[in-house]
Order: sequence, then C-alpha cells, then structure tokens
Amino acid sequence: DMKVTQMPRYLIKRMGENVLLECGQDMSHETMYWYRQDPGLGLQLIYISYDVDSNSEGDIPKGYRVSRKKREHFSLILDSAKTNQTSVYFCASRTGTANTEVFFGKGTRLTVV
Amino acid sequence: AQSVTQPDARVTVSEGASLQLRCKYSYSATPYLFWYVQYPRQGLQMLLKYYSGDPVVQGVNGFEAEFSKSDSSFHLRKASVHWSDSAVYFCAVSAHYAQGLTFGLGTRVSVFP
Repeated sequence: DMKVTQMPRYLIKRMGENVLLECGQDMSHETMYWYRQDPGLGLQLIYISYDVDSNSEGDIPKGYRVSRKKREHFSLILDSAKTNQTSVYFCASRTGTANTEVFFGKGTRLTVV
Repeated sequence: AQSVTQPDARVTVSEGASLQLRCKYSYSATPYLFWYVQYPRQGLQMLLKYYSGDPVVQGVNGFEAEFSKSDSSFHLRKASVHWSDSAVYFCAVSAHYAQGLTFGLGTRVSVFP
C-alpha cells in the first residue's frame, strides 16, 4: 500500500518551543518534500530532500530545518516556533523524475500560540 | 520559473451538471502538468497528469483534462458531477523533479444536490 504518513495530525505549541514534524513513506522514494498550506497562499515549498543527507531549500525555508537520516523518513524542525508558522504542513514524496505522481500525506495542523 | 493561475476561486454547480475548471500556466517549455484534488482534512490526491501525446487525458472518477500549448492551458472537465466531487482542486506544474510541484491557489467546488 503506497502511503505517506505524517505524525502528529494535530499539534498545539507555545511560541518559542521547538517543534518536530515527522513523515514516513513506504515506497522507497528518493525525493521528499515539505510544503505548508495557508489560506490565500496555496501550497508553498519549504524544503526538498533528494535522498539521505541531501537536502535543499525550497521557496520559503526561513525558520525551518530538515533532517533525513533514512530514505523512508523526513523530519521538519521548527526551532523556537513563531505564531506565523501556524499552518497545515504537508509531506510528500515521489520517485526522481518530473513526470511521476507526487504522493501526499494527510497533513499536520500546527497551531502556535 | 513556472507559475500557475486558477482564475476561479469558487465554483458552484448542481449535481448532474457538467464542470470545467480553468488552469493557465507560465513556463518557457512544456512542463509536466497535474490536477490534484483535496477533500476536507485530507492530503492531495492526483486526478491525472500530462506531458506529451494526446492533449486530452483521462483521469480517475470520470475527470479529464485538455492541454493547449497555444493557450498555455490545462483545463479540467467532468461531464456529470456528484455531490462527492465537492472539494478543492489544484492545478500544478513540474518542470523538474528537483523543484517539486508549483501549485495554483485552487478552486473550491461545491456541488448541490
């Protein structure tokens, strides 16, 4: 079963706390992404990972970092979360070609108060 | 860089009626083109994709899309909608797998019985 799994699904954090969002995929895809989705802004690309320890900034990387130590797992870290990082975060994966389907997780709704 | 415009933020249709969602893209060459659907509190699911060949592509659940190079468009259609088609639909382009997908802002479709 091809699946991208995100944990947790819902998270509330206080401003200044550290946040860890986790993502796993069971398809052995090389490429993984983190997006955030906000009303009126659509989906914005935060980071891309091409494989283990091979990561690249997307369009809005400021305030985020990522970690990929195993091909199946890709983590998004917010050091000292800010209220403007309240959003829905989506992890996605695909094989390393541009014409293939990108598979999305169900998202993590993060609220920073 | 590529971009996607979905000119209709909201569309309302009656069950059984036809549906067309518009998408225009901007890219110097022909990109890989996708339509995704997002149901409430879910991730995005691919409906169909196109790169070359027959400009009309068939997708899941009776959806089809037509590519026009001259118009830089990739419009989505369905002949007869069902109430379960109520969702947000995203058009996306992918010039290179390393850049991920670039999404339009989406069109929210409401189907009334």
